[in-house]
Amino acid sequence: KAGVTQTPRYLIKTRGQQVTLSCSPISGHRSVSWYQQTPGQGLQFLFEYFSETQRNKGNFPGRFSGRQFSNSRSEMNVSTLELGDSALYLCASSIRTGGDTGELFFGEGSRLTVL
Amino acid sequence: AQSVSQHNHHVILSEAASLELGCNYSYGGTVNLFWYVQYPGQHLQLLLKYFSGDPLVKGIKGFEAEFIKSKFSFNLRKPSVQWSDTAEYFCAIQGGGKLIFGQGTELSVKP
Repeated sequence: KAGVTQTPRYLIKTRGQQVTLSCSPISGHRSVSWYQQTPGQGLQFLFEYFSETQRNKGNFPGRFSGRQFSNSRSEMNVSTLELGDSALYLCASSIRTGGDTGELFFGEGSRLTVL
Repeated sequence: AQSVSQHNHHVILSEAASLELGCNYSYGGTVNLFWYVQYPGQHLQLLLKYFSGDPLVKGIKGFEAEFIKSKFSFNLRKPSVQWSDTAEYFCAIQGGGKLIFGQGTELSVKP
């Protein structure tokens, strides 16, 4: 069974640009969550999507957005990039049951560098 | 506010030493508890989880953790570490549909 796949794995952007990251969840998983990992702030929750609807959102500015498609694949977008957006962006999928997402399975991440 | 605190940022042990990593959390309701591990260059992997039942849970690779509700703690233990346990360990709570992670503990095991 294939794991969570994230693309691209590495990318470099300049300030002011925008970026789109993609995540393909494990087959059968309908919940996709996104996290930002930085040395200073650790792992922080961005948002969660389930059945194409955003279910939860973390404390990030509106420049960070996402969406989920009918096949459960998800994308996140960051507009007007800032230096502080340099991070590893992790996607995780799960079989959501009830009120919580249960066990999350993480991808290897997309490492974004903003110059 | 929901938060997770891991007591140690960096732990250095020799092989065969015992390990205990502390984790305390703050949350106003029922939580699910997790320990994840991130080996160098690899993705986050689940070590073990606690949802309910026996507060002593066993995970992969000989790790175990004990949930002590009165202390809001979920400490990770291993009786004898190996060089291959060198990694970063994250405690996390799940509530309200999201995982809240601690800052992580970097474990270095000397052969």
